[in-house]
Amino acid sequence: GAGVSQSPSNKVTEKGKDVELRCDPISGHTALYWYRQSLGQGLEFLIYFQGNSAPDKSGLPSDRFSAERTGGSVSTLTIQRTQQEDSAVYLCASSLTGSDSPLHFGNGTRLTVT
Amino acid sequence: KQEVTQIPAALSVPEGENLVLNCSFTDSAIYNLQWFRQDPGKGLTSLLLIQSSQREQTSGRLNASLDKSSGRSTLYIAASQPGDSATYLCAVKGFNKFYFGSGTKLNVKP
Repeated sequence: GAGVSQSPSNKVTEKGKDVELRCDPISGHTALYWYRQSLGQGLEFLIYFQGNSAPDKSGLPSDRFSAERTGGSVSTLTIQRTQQEDSAVYLCASSLTGSDSPLHFGNGTRLTVT
Repeated sequence: KQEVTQIPAALSVPEGENLVLNCSFTDSAIYNLQWFRQDPGKGLTSLLLIQSSQREQTSGRLNASLDKSSGRSTLYIAASQPGDSATYLCAVKGFNKFYFGSGTKLNVKP
């Protein structure tokens, strides 16, 4: 079956522009996560969606970052007024449930802010 | 706050060797622990999931153990192959999020 799909795979943008990153989770998966992986750094938690519950946004680094999940499926991560320190690989993952199921990751979106 | 540490950061071994990767975590209140591999330019692939009530899981040449009380997990790879070369990450599941280690970069030489 289809895995987690992320688009675009690469995005180059100028400082100050807004970007949208998309994630299509595995069908039927209720939990969806966004993580950020910077060069030489570990994975940094950004946001967590579980079903129809309010998302856990505790990892978003600033108010320039926002995310939504429409219809319990597709998710969009939006970064406004991008800065060079936003350059990283943004990874999306989904799992069947929130607590005891393995995480399945997409291949990520590599964002470069020039 | 949960902190996850992986040792060693990098490992280079000849093909056929058995090896152990280590993961430690500071807060034993976890739901589960997962081991992943990451190939360059790719996302993470789940290898093994150990629930908090379990002690180990096996898949093929891979065996992962969990000692929750001491905050440790090991990933044992038997008879390593060049195709095993990748970065291996462990992650522990807390409330609403997974906490990741920085990974062990494994190179298996032919």
